[in-house]
Amino acid sequence: DTGVSQNPRHKITKRGQNVTFRCDPISEHNRLYWYRQTLGQGPEFLTYFQNEAQLEKSRLLSDRFSAERPKGSFSTLEIQRTEQGDSAMYLCASSLEERVQFFGPGTRLTVL
Amino acid sequence: QKEVEQNSGPLSVPEGAIASLNCTYSDRGSQSFFWYRQYSGKSPELIMSIYSNGDKEDGRFTAQLNKASQYVSLLIRDSQPSDSATYLCAVAHNTDKLIFGTGTRLQVFP
Repeated sequence: DTGVSQNPRHKITKRGQNVTFRCDPISEHNRLYWYRQTLGQGPEFLTYFQNEAQLEKSRLLSDRFSAERPKGSFSTLEIQRTEQGDSAMYLCASSLEERVQFFGPGTRLTVL
Repeated sequence: QKEVEQNSGPLSVPEGAIASLNCTYSDRGSQSFFWYRQYSGKSPELIMSIYSNGDKEDGRFTAQLNKASQYVSLLIRDSQPSDSATYLCAVAHNTDKLIFGTGTRLQVFP
């Protein structure tokens, strides 16, 4: 499968715990994006990378959220001290330069 | 005013009919426009991209863009029950982060 992959696909955690998600983009894509989607809403932009550089972060991204892409390949998104409001689908997308973005299957987070 | 607006639907059309989905956006500086299809519980799947005024056709799908009116639409010809999904309109500004509408739910009934 040469598409965008995300792990885990589902995560259930208790409030206050830390969670980390991984995204592997399409191999030749240099841009990687994170979005969050809640029920009945469209995806909301969180942050994006060009190679290993994080170029933009949304104001939605509180200081409990951090993303990395250390070698310009896969990326991780960590949420510290999770809250019930963090429950959502976390989507990763990748693109080649400014071209269309292709989404991975998403990680569904449930915070109890 | 939301940056990207769509009617949430549901839009119900009979099998074989044309489904027309509409989207308006507020930022005149928007440069790229996309339609994604999203089945329940799945991630968005790209249907069409359009960058200049006019129509763009791909199979049963036609995207239409009118930058003066800040309007983009998607027509689905010969609608099939398998087209039943939520259709997300997305707009990119000078950076290429996507701003999504809330989506229009399409139901195609046999």
